[in-house]
Amino acid sequence: GAVVSQHPSWVICKSGTSVKIECRSLDFQATTMFWYRQFPKQSLMLMATSNEGSKATYEQGVEKDKFLINHASLTLSTLTVTSAHPEDSSFYICSAREDHETSNQPQHFGDGTRLSIL
Amino acid sequence: LAKTTQPISMDSYEGQEVNITCSHNNIATNDYITWYQQFPSQGPRFIIQGYKTKVTNEVASLFIPADRKSSTLSLPRVSLSDTAVYYCLVGPRATDSWGKLQFGAGTQVVVTP
Repeated sequence: GAVVSQHPSWVICKSGTSVKIECRSLDFQATTMFWYRQFPKQSLMLMATSNEGSKATYEQGVEKDKFLINHASLTLSTLTVTSAHPEDSSFYICSAREDHETSNQPQHFGDGTRLSIL
Repeated sequence: LAKTTQPISMDSYEGQEVNITCSHNNIATNDYITWYQQFPSQGPRFIIQGYKTKVTNEVASLFIPADRKSSTLSLPRVSLSDTAVYYCLVGPRATDSWGKLQFGAGTQVVVTP
């Protein structure tokens, strides 16, 4: 159980293109999902918290107009990198936590999306 | 969010027990301790979570002393496939700040034959 699927797993595109990444919780509902970015040999950096039916909350230094997040259902959140440039090339990872009234469920992560901007 | 400190790297041989200790001196009352494993080009995989004392599952044990200012992840009889980065995270339950987590540098564990 608790599987999080990310799509696509990798994408290469030209500078100036917008790229959408999907994050799905396959067997559970998640009111809250998270988006991270990871550069080579570095740790994960939290970018934003995505909440179903409301605006995402962005971490300091993350441009909300650059990284558009939509959480339209309890099983799907999307991250759109708008007008991507080479410096946006990175490994993007999402996570989701199963909604549960009493127990503290851990976050479960997708397998990431490797984004390369030429 | 509580800051964590763990060794940068650890080396081990196959079949040995690996213990990784994480310090989290400013852990809050509502914080949980969670450990993840990450292989290159993959998302982190949940290993174990605890609040106090000892927690054990089919892959690891987590020891948490009474003051909760540190925790130790124990991996019994490691194999080559356990070579990975291990992250210790401390964060609130989902009802507080959505339970968001901040990753530290992690510990690179290398298992050799």
